[in-house]
Amino acid sequence: KAGVTQTPRYLIKTRGQQVTLSCSPISGHRSVSWYQQTPGQGLQFLFEYFSETQRNKGNFPGRFSGRQFSNSRSEMNVSTLELGDSALYLCASSLAGTRGNEQYFGPGTRLTVT
Amino acid sequence: TQLLEQSPQFLSIQEGENLTVYCNSSSVFSSLQWYRQEPGEGPVLLVTVVTGGEVKKLKRLTFQFGDARKDSSLHITAAQPGDTGLYLCAGAGNAGNMLTFGGGTRLMVKP
Repeated sequence: KAGVTQTPRYLIKTRGQQVTLSCSPISGHRSVSWYQQTPGQGLQFLFEYFSETQRNKGNFPGRFSGRQFSNSRSEMNVSTLELGDSALYLCASSLAGTRGNEQYFGPGTRLTVT
Repeated sequence: TQLLEQSPQFLSIQEGENLTVYCNSSSVFSSLQWYRQEPGEGPVLLVTVVTGGEVKKLKRLTFQFGDARKDSSLHITAAQPGDTGLYLCAGAGNAGNMLTFGGGTRLMVKP
């Protein structure tokens, strides 16, 4: 079974621009979560989507948004990019109803904002 | 806000030594997961512990969940260079799949 895929793997953007990242979950997984990883803050939860609805949201500004499609694929968007948005953005998928909330991560998208 | 304190932050040991990584919180988690992450890659799930007091073994790795489900430990026996990496603990609450991560332990095992 194929794992979680994320595209693109690397991205360089300029301050003020916007960016869209994509995530395809493991086949059959209906929950997709997004995390931001930085050296200073570690891994922080952004949001979770389940059946096309945002189920949980972390403490990030409204510039960070996401959506999920009927095939469970998800996208996240960051508008008006800031230098501090440079990070590894990780997507994780989970089988709905799994005891223990086991999540499987993709390789991430490395975003650099200049 | 749930917080997870992970210690130590860095660990450099010789091949063959034993080590323990700790993950502590004042909050109760419904489950706790341990991940290992290599540079430039996403975290890979090692184990999930759900029941207070639960102990799971994965070859030379032993994971324990505290009785009160607030803390966990990872013990590696006879560490090998292939164990080198970033170890992360993550706690799950009762709502959805939101994980709270510890700060990570960067382990280096020298041959």
